[in-house]
Amino acid sequence: RKEVEQDPGPFNVPEGATVAFNCTYSNSASQSFFWYRQDCRKEPKLLMSVYSSGNEDGRFTAQLNRASQYISLLIRDSKLSDSATYLCVVNPVTGGFKTIFGAGTRLFVKA
Amino acid sequence: EAQVTQNPRYLITVTGKKLTVTCSQNMNHEYMSWYRQDPGLGLRQIYYSMNVEVTDKGDVPEGYKVSRKEKRNFPLILESPSPNQTSLYFCASSVGGFADQPQHFGDGTRLSIL
Repeated sequence: RKEVEQDPGPFNVPEGATVAFNCTYSNSASQSFFWYRQDCRKEPKLLMSVYSSGNEDGRFTAQLNRASQYISLLIRDSKLSDSATYLCVVNPVTGGFKTIFGAGTRLFVKA
Repeated sequence: EAQVTQNPRYLITVTGKKLTVTCSQNMNHEYMSWYRQDPGLGLRQIYYSMNVEVTDKGDVPEGYKVSRKEKRNFPLILESPSPNQTSLYFCASSVGGFADQPQHFGDGTRLSIL
């Protein structure tokens, strides 16, 4: 089983739709979680950190479910400009200070 | 401007010819890391460094070397490149010596090993 798994998609949604992605992780001791956005093989850019209590930034909401070991990203009122690959990131903490990326979920928002 | 700078951006070379990809950050970050990205596999960590002279292996370190003699620089060395090291490489840095902070990425280096 991969340490971090994401549904690769692609997700094809119309403008204005709400879309949600999940990311599961295998190391229950993981402490830090992030969502990054990557456009067409450019560098990943931080979208948001994921906090235990959940957090929101405009149209984006991130949640952490420790019991089931997954994080989620919800995008409301999708825009064409949201089309990108969304990467979840987990820092296992134990066994060093590695960073584990999911393989990414591709989102296409169409007019 | 706060940034992570990688050079070169693109390189085509031949098997066995040693090469170095440089990475420099101007944010005084302790943590630096190298990743490779391949289709369908996402980003995989090659090496990381928690501070000067402190480095450790990521998930795919074979065939690579790194050094961290100065805080700002973290070069990636391919002593004897092979075609399976053809990939898109990213350098990243973050504040603190752990991996618990968001990382800032360089623009990437496209390496082709023939």
